Amino acid sequence: GAVVSQHPSWVICKSGTSVKIECRSLDFQATTMFWYRQFPKQSLMLMATSNEGSKATYEQGVEKDKFLINHASLTLSTLTVTSAHPEDSSFYICSGSPGPNTGELFFGEGSRLTVL
Amino acid sequence: DAKTTQPPSMDCAEGRAANLPCNHSTISGNEYVYWYRQIHSQGPQYIIHGLKNNETNEMASLIITEDRKSSTLILPHATLRDTAVYYCIVKESNSGYALNFGKGTSLLVTP
Repeated sequence: GAVVSQHPSWVICKSGTSVKIECRSLDFQATTMFWYRQFPKQSLMLMATSNEGSKATYEQGVEKDKFLINHASLTLSTLTVTSAHPEDSSFYICSGSPGPNTGELFFGEGSRLTVL
Repeated sequence: DAKTTQPPSMDCAEGRAANLPCNHSTISGNEYVYWYRQIHSQGPQYIIHGLKNNETNEMASLIITEDRKSSTLILPHATLRDTAVYYCIVKESNSGYALNFGKGTSLLVTP
């Protein structure tokens, strides 16, 4: 299947700092990418839909000013957690699709954020 | 809200077939059934999907009932590495739509 790579795999930061997570589609172009987060022992929750060259669409309850998403190219989307707090500690996962008529999504390895 | 219902957990002995059920009684005509799995601390992995015919690939088989209200994912010879949470998701085949994950089934394969 198609490959999606995330970086970093894990990050620890101090409260109040910002953290950027990168999501790259390595062998396909992704017009649309999705960002999820997952708290311990819970399922994945969709945060936002990222479309190349346009503003992201956020799910209800997700603060767009706190979770900045940029999708400047067909192979790169970034999620920046601004002014991180301990409650933002979570597993963040991105996904993308290789084609407009392909329902499959391919997921990155995930990035574990711990805010102290 | 998830449109599927799965048992929260299942056990399977290594080498035996693992049969994971999923109910999707409100599935619409243009929605596919997708199966993904998530091994601990990793991103979800695509397994298989189907519309109404049974499907098989190198990982698993998908059996969809004639009325499409339920399906079963079959791992023919489960290994310890198949221990994961398995998610059954119904979705239109369109990359513009995200996958909405329910709680899935936590499969434990035992020696």
